Amino acid sequence: DTEVTQTPKHLVMGMTNKKSLKCEQHMGHRAMYWYKQKAKKPPELMFVYSYEKLSINESVPSRFSPECPNSSLLNLHLHALQPEDSALYLCASSQTTYEQYFGPGTRLTVT
Amino acid sequence: GESVGLHLPTLSVQEGDNSIINCAYSNSASDYFIWYKQESGKGPQFIIDIRSNMDKRQGQRVTVLLNKTVKHLSLQIAATQPGDSAVYFCAEGPENYGGSQGNLIFGKGTKLSVKP
Repeated sequence: DTEVTQTPKHLVMGMTNKKSLKCEQHMGHRAMYWYKQKAKKPPELMFVYSYEKLSINESVPSRFSPECPNSSLLNLHLHALQPEDSALYLCASSQTTYEQYFGPGTRLTVT
Repeated sequence: GESVGLHLPTLSVQEGDNSIINCAYSNSASDYFIWYKQESGKGPQFIIDIRSNMDKRQGQRVTVLLNKTVKHLSLQIAATQPGDSAVYFCAEGPENYGGSQGNLIFGKGTKLSVKP
Protein backbone atom coordinates (compact mmCIF):
# COMPACT_ATOMS: atom_id res chain seq x y z
CA ASP A 1 0.00 0.00 0.00
CA THR A 2 1.74 3.15 -1.23
CA GLU A 3 -1.11 5.48 -0.47
CA VAL A 4 -1.43 8.57 1.66
CA THR A 5 -5.03 9.47 2.37
CA GLN A 6 -6.36 12.85 3.38
CA THR A 7 -9.75 13.95 4.66
CA PRO A 8 -11.76 15.93 3.93
CA LYS A 9 -11.23 16.53 0.20
CA HIS A 10 -12.80 19.97 0.41
CA LEU A 11 -13.39 22.24 3.40
CA VAL A 12 -15.07 25.61 3.63
CA MET A 13 -14.76 27.39 6.95
CA GLY A 14 -15.38 30.80 8.41
CA MET A 15 -12.72 32.84 10.10
CA THR A 16 -14.04 32.01 13.57
CA ASN A 17 -14.36 28.25 13.00
CA LYS A 18 -12.17 25.47 14.32
CA LYS A 19 -11.57 22.53 12.01
CA SER A 20 -9.03 19.76 11.51
CA LEU A 21 -7.40 18.14 8.51
CA LYS A 22 -6.44 14.49 8.72
CA CYS A 23 -3.77 12.44 7.02
CA GLU A 24 -3.03 8.72 7.23
CA GLN A 25 -0.39 6.39 5.82
CA HIS A 26 0.21 2.69 6.35
CA MET A 27 3.60 2.36 4.69
CA GLY A 28 5.52 2.38 7.97
CA HIS A 29 7.07 5.72 7.09
CA ARG A 30 8.64 7.56 10.01
CA ALA A 31 8.49 11.07 8.63
CA MET A 32 5.31 12.96 7.82
CA TYR A 33 4.90 16.41 6.38
CA TRP A 34 2.38 19.20 5.91
CA TYR A 35 2.66 21.44 2.87
CA LYS A 36 0.61 24.42 1.71
CA GLN A 37 0.15 24.97 -2.02
CA LYS A 38 -1.35 28.05 -3.62
CA ALA A 39 -2.60 27.98 -7.20
CA LYS A 40 0.17 27.80 -9.82
CA LYS A 41 2.83 27.63 -7.09
CA PRO A 42 5.02 24.84 -5.76
CA PRO A 43 4.26 23.20 -2.41
CA GLU A 44 5.64 25.11 0.58
CA LEU A 45 6.78 23.10 3.58
CA MET A 46 4.96 23.88 6.83
CA PHE A 47 5.81 21.13 9.33
CA VAL A 48 7.83 17.95 9.51
CA TYR A 49 7.33 15.16 12.03
CA SER A 50 10.08 12.61 12.46
CA TYR A 51 9.39 9.57 14.65
CA GLU A 52 6.22 11.30 15.89
CA LYS A 53 8.11 14.37 17.08
CA LEU A 54 7.89 17.81 15.51
CA SER A 55 11.27 18.42 13.93
CA ILE A 56 10.64 21.34 11.59
CA ASN A 57 8.24 24.26 11.89
CA GLU A 58 8.77 26.64 9.01
CA SER A 59 7.68 29.72 10.97
CA VAL A 60 4.04 28.84 10.48
CA PRO A 61 1.49 31.07 12.31
CA SER A 62 0.06 29.58 15.48
CA ARG A 63 -3.43 29.43 13.95
CA PHE A 64 -2.10 26.23 12.36
CA SER A 65 -1.41 23.53 14.95
CA PRO A 66 -0.04 20.13 13.90
CA GLU A 67 -0.44 16.93 15.83
CA CYS A 68 0.96 13.43 15.30
CA PRO A 69 -1.08 11.01 17.46
CA ASN A 70 0.87 7.98 16.20
CA SER A 71 3.22 6.98 13.42
CA SER A 72 0.40 6.55 10.90
CA LEU A 73 -1.64 9.67 11.57
CA LEU A 74 -1.04 13.36 11.15
CA ASN A 75 -3.53 16.11 11.91
CA LEU A 76 -3.54 19.82 11.22
CA HIS A 77 -5.80 21.83 13.52
CA LEU A 78 -7.08 25.11 12.15
CA HIS A 79 -8.39 28.04 14.16
CA ALA A 80 -9.10 31.69 13.35
CA LEU A 81 -7.83 31.40 9.80
CA GLN A 82 -7.66 34.25 7.32
CA PRO A 83 -8.93 34.26 3.71
CA GLU A 84 -5.31 34.23 2.50
CA ASP A 85 -4.94 30.81 4.14
CA SER A 86 -7.18 29.37 1.43
CA ALA A 87 -5.05 26.82 -0.42
CA LEU A 88 -4.48 23.13 -1.11
CA TYR A 89 -3.02 21.47 1.98
CA LEU A 90 -0.90 18.44 1.17
CA CYS A 91 0.29 15.72 3.46
CA ALA A 92 3.28 13.55 2.60
CA SER A 93 5.30 10.77 4.19
CA SER A 94 8.73 9.26 3.63
CA GLN A 95 10.96 6.54 5.01
CA THR A 96 14.71 6.75 4.62
CA THR A 97 14.97 8.72 1.40
CA TYR A 98 13.77 11.99 0.04
CA GLU A 99 11.08 10.17 -1.92
CA GLN A 100 8.02 11.65 -0.35
CA TYR A 101 4.62 10.17 -1.08
CA PHE A 102 1.92 12.80 -1.27
CA GLY A 103 -1.76 12.56 -0.53
CA PRO A 104 -4.39 14.12 -2.81
CA GLY A 105 -4.70 17.18 -0.59
CA THR A 106 -7.50 19.07 1.11
CA ARG A 107 -8.82 22.09 -0.77
CA LEU A 108 -9.45 24.69 1.97
CA THR A 109 -11.50 27.82 1.46
CA VAL A 110 -11.69 30.39 4.25
CA THR A 111 -14.63 32.79 3.99
CA GLY B 1 6.70 27.25 -26.79
CA GLU B 2 7.28 28.66 -23.31
CA SER B 3 5.72 31.58 -21.50
CA VAL B 4 6.87 33.02 -18.21
CA GLY B 5 5.78 35.79 -15.90
CA LEU B 6 2.70 35.68 -13.73
CA HIS B 7 1.76 32.27 -15.06
CA LEU B 8 3.47 28.94 -14.85
CA PRO B 9 6.01 28.36 -17.60
CA THR B 10 4.25 26.23 -20.18
CA LEU B 11 5.60 23.70 -22.63
CA SER B 12 3.31 22.59 -25.40
CA VAL B 13 4.21 19.48 -27.40
CA GLN B 14 2.60 17.23 -29.97
CA GLU B 15 1.62 13.74 -28.92
CA GLY B 16 4.41 11.34 -29.77
CA ASP B 17 7.16 13.96 -29.61
CA ASN B 18 9.82 14.05 -26.91
CA SER B 19 9.53 16.64 -24.14
CA ILE B 20 12.32 18.33 -22.24
CA ILE B 21 11.51 20.17 -19.05
CA ASN B 22 14.26 22.22 -17.47
CA CYS B 23 14.98 23.31 -13.93
CA ALA B 24 17.65 25.53 -12.42
CA TYR B 25 18.38 24.71 -8.80
CA SER B 26 19.73 27.03 -6.20
CA ASN B 27 22.09 25.21 -3.83
CA SER B 28 25.37 23.89 -5.19
CA ALA B 29 25.60 21.69 -2.06
CA SER B 30 22.32 19.89 -2.80
CA ASP B 31 22.83 16.15 -2.87
CA TYR B 32 19.58 14.79 -4.15
CA PHE B 33 17.15 15.83 -6.88
CA ILE B 34 13.68 14.60 -7.64
CA TRP B 35 11.01 15.20 -10.25
CA TYR B 36 7.33 15.22 -9.38
CA LYS B 37 4.29 15.25 -11.65
CA GLN B 38 1.14 16.95 -10.42
CA GLU B 39 -2.09 16.47 -12.31
CA SER B 40 -4.98 18.83 -11.81
CA GLY B 41 -6.71 18.23 -8.48
CA LYS B 42 -4.12 15.70 -7.27
CA GLY B 43 -1.07 15.64 -5.08
CA PRO B 44 2.46 15.48 -6.56
CA GLN B 45 3.49 12.04 -7.79
CA PHE B 46 7.11 10.81 -7.76
CA ILE B 47 8.59 10.31 -11.23
CA ILE B 48 12.33 9.85 -10.90
CA ASP B 49 15.24 10.90 -8.70
CA ILE B 50 19.00 11.30 -9.01
CA ARG B 51 21.87 11.78 -6.60
CA SER B 52 24.59 14.34 -7.11
CA ASN B 53 27.21 11.67 -7.86
CA MET B 54 25.36 10.81 -11.06
CA ASP B 55 24.74 12.83 -14.20
CA LYS B 56 22.06 10.70 -15.81
CA ARG B 57 19.39 8.28 -14.74
CA GLN B 58 16.78 6.54 -16.83
CA GLY B 59 13.36 5.27 -15.97
CA GLN B 60 10.45 4.09 -18.03
CA ARG B 61 10.10 6.69 -20.83
CA VAL B 62 11.81 9.29 -18.62
CA THR B 63 15.41 10.39 -18.26
CA VAL B 64 16.81 12.87 -15.77
CA LEU B 65 20.03 14.74 -16.55
CA LEU B 66 22.04 16.61 -13.96
CA ASN B 67 24.63 19.25 -14.78
CA LYS B 68 26.22 20.32 -11.51
CA THR B 69 28.55 22.81 -13.19
CA VAL B 70 25.66 25.06 -14.13
CA LYS B 71 23.22 23.79 -11.49
CA HIS B 72 20.77 22.53 -14.07
CA LEU B 73 18.40 19.60 -14.05
CA SER B 74 16.27 18.36 -16.92
CA LEU B 75 13.53 15.80 -17.37
CA GLN B 76 13.14 14.17 -20.74
CA ILE B 77 9.92 12.36 -21.56
CA ALA B 78 10.00 10.11 -24.60
CA ALA B 79 6.98 9.70 -26.89
CA THR B 80 4.87 12.13 -24.87
CA GLN B 81 1.27 11.07 -24.35
CA PRO B 82 -1.87 13.04 -23.42
CA GLY B 83 -1.70 11.45 -19.97
CA ASP B 84 1.62 13.23 -19.43
CA SER B 85 -0.17 16.59 -19.34
CA ALA B 86 0.46 17.98 -15.87
CA VAL B 87 2.62 20.40 -13.93
CA TYR B 88 6.14 19.10 -13.34
CA PHE B 89 8.17 20.19 -10.32
CA CYS B 90 11.82 19.62 -9.65
CA ALA B 91 12.93 19.50 -6.03
CA GLU B 92 16.33 19.47 -4.36
CA GLY B 93 17.48 18.11 -1.06
CA PRO B 94 20.50 19.29 0.96
CA GLU B 95 23.71 17.36 1.53
CA ASN B 96 24.43 15.32 4.64
CA TYR B 97 20.95 13.95 4.57
CA GLY B 98 20.38 11.45 7.31
CA GLY B 99 17.53 9.76 9.04
CA SER B 100 14.07 9.56 7.64
CA GLN B 101 13.25 13.18 7.06
CA GLY B 102 13.98 14.84 3.77
CA ASN B 103 13.57 18.59 3.58
CA LEU B 104 12.83 19.19 -0.09
CA ILE B 105 12.92 22.58 -1.78
CA PHE B 106 10.61 22.73 -4.77
CA GLY B 107 11.22 24.64 -7.98
CA LYS B 108 8.58 26.82 -9.62
CA GLY B 109 7.07 24.16 -11.88
CA THR B 110 6.41 23.82 -15.61
CA LYS B 111 3.05 23.04 -17.13
CA LEU B 112 3.25 20.45 -19.89
CA SER B 113 0.39 20.43 -22.41
CA VAL B 114 0.23 17.58 -24.90
CA LYS B 115 -1.71 18.18 -28.11
CA PRO B 116 -3.36 15.10 -29.62
